[in-house]
Amino acid sequence: DTGVSQDPRHKITKRGQNVTFRCDPISEHNRLYWYRQTLGQGPEFLTYFQNEAQLEKSRLLSDRFSAERPKGSFSTLEIQRTEQGDSAMYLCASGGQDPHQPQHFGDGTRLSIL
Amino acid sequence: AQRVTQPEKLLSVFKGAPVELKCNYSYSGSPELFWYVQYSRQRLQLLLRHISRESIKGFTADLNKGETSFHLKKPFAQEEDSAMYYCALSGRKTDKLIFGTGTRLQVFP
Repeated sequence: DTGVSQDPRHKITKRGQNVTFRCDPISEHNRLYWYRQTLGQGPEFLTYFQNEAQLEKSRLLSDRFSAERPKGSFSTLEIQRTEQGDSAMYLCASGGQDPHQPQHFGDGTRLSIL
Repeated sequence: AQRVTQPEKLLSVFKGAPVELKCNYSYSGSPELFWYVQYSRQRLQLLLRHISRESIKGFTADLNKGETSFHLKKPFAQEEDSAMYYCALSGRKTDKLIFGTGTRLQVFP
């Protein structure tokens, strides 16, 4: 198992375009998280899935953002009508059945808005 | 409000010197506290957590509920400890992580 996998590693797009990122968690993990990290800041929580159910969303997740985990395995994060302020590193993490077990992070997808 | 504060953006020490990375938190309840580390060109990874009460790579951290602190300490820093360190907490009801802004540790030879 290579751990949490995120694709793409880098995404450059023009303002106003839509982008979609993918996260493949560790295979037996049922918990999946998305975080966003901007320069000089720690990661900020965006949303959380347990299996296919989206159980929590941050206020940071505007209506331009949508996340899915249709079969309880991989997840996608889509940003519509991207804005300059969306430029950030988007991190995915997964965790096992026991919520007290630590989260394992992927390498992230770096989004740059031109 | 739930918050993690890491007052130092950068901490520079020489090899062999003691290190203390400060972390203070604000949380109504009993959180779990963590230290995550990110080495150059690597992903964020767990260094240690307070409930384990273990030493990893010579680092320890003690939860002080009175001072709401979870400072990370190492008696003798090594060059390979140079990295970005993030303190984080999670609550009992939800295990989403709330991170501090991070402290960059530079250990000079």
